[in-house]
Amino acid sequence: GESVGLHLPTLSVQEGDNSIINCAYSNSASDYFIWYKQESGKGPQFIIDIRSNMDKRQGQRVTVLLNKTVKHLSLQIAATQPGDSAVYFCAVDSWDAGNMLTFGGGTRLMVKP
Amino acid sequence: KAGVTQTPRYLIKTRGQQVTLSCSPISGHRSVSWYQQTPGQGLQFLFEYFSETQRNKGNFPGRFSGRQFSNSRSEMNVSTLELGDSALYLCASTDSGNEKLFFGSGTQLSVL
Repeated sequence: GESVGLHLPTLSVQEGDNSIINCAYSNSASDYFIWYKQESGKGPQFIIDIRSNMDKRQGQRVTVLLNKTVKHLSLQIAATQPGDSAVYFCAVDSWDAGNMLTFGGGTRLMVKP
Repeated sequence: KAGVTQTPRYLIKTRGQQVTLSCSPISGHRSVSWYQQTPGQGLQFLFEYFSETQRNKGNFPGRFSGRQFSNSRSEMNVSTLELGDSALYLCASTDSGNEKLFFGSGTQLSVL
């Protein structure tokens, strides 16, 4: 089965700095990757996604990097703001798993003013 | 478009009781998935429904069940509640063939 892990449970950054959140996965059949942000009392909110035929994808202040060789995914947030404070989850889908996302344990991002 | 709506927002039950949670997906979305979120286990997949049929099922006991109606609204039921069932239950919907899930705010279930 799929297992998804996060390297750091808590990340503390200074406002204005860049943040990098990492995620490892184990299933070579994983072909879709997605990052979610969850604020207290809310459900996960979509941030950015990437398919396995890409290595990098950029959004507004966010970039996702995919390294299929080492099965590693990262989320980069530029110029981190207090509103970015939340728990971030990576999730993966595999062609052999149906429409079922497997989520990592989450990383709490704390932004210091 | 309105987002995914889950009711009730909070629920308190006692051991042995049963509970039904409701989810209304985004208009036009035909796939509804349910996840359980706990501090210890994170987000775990319960099941997915598409066009009133269960398409995928996670590794949960038979006490957890669900259904989907013709208007794509979904309910999940947990019978014979246990203390360990205390969790945030999240519903998510998506277009058919699209893995990008849109989540509701969840139902926080506390079992006493």
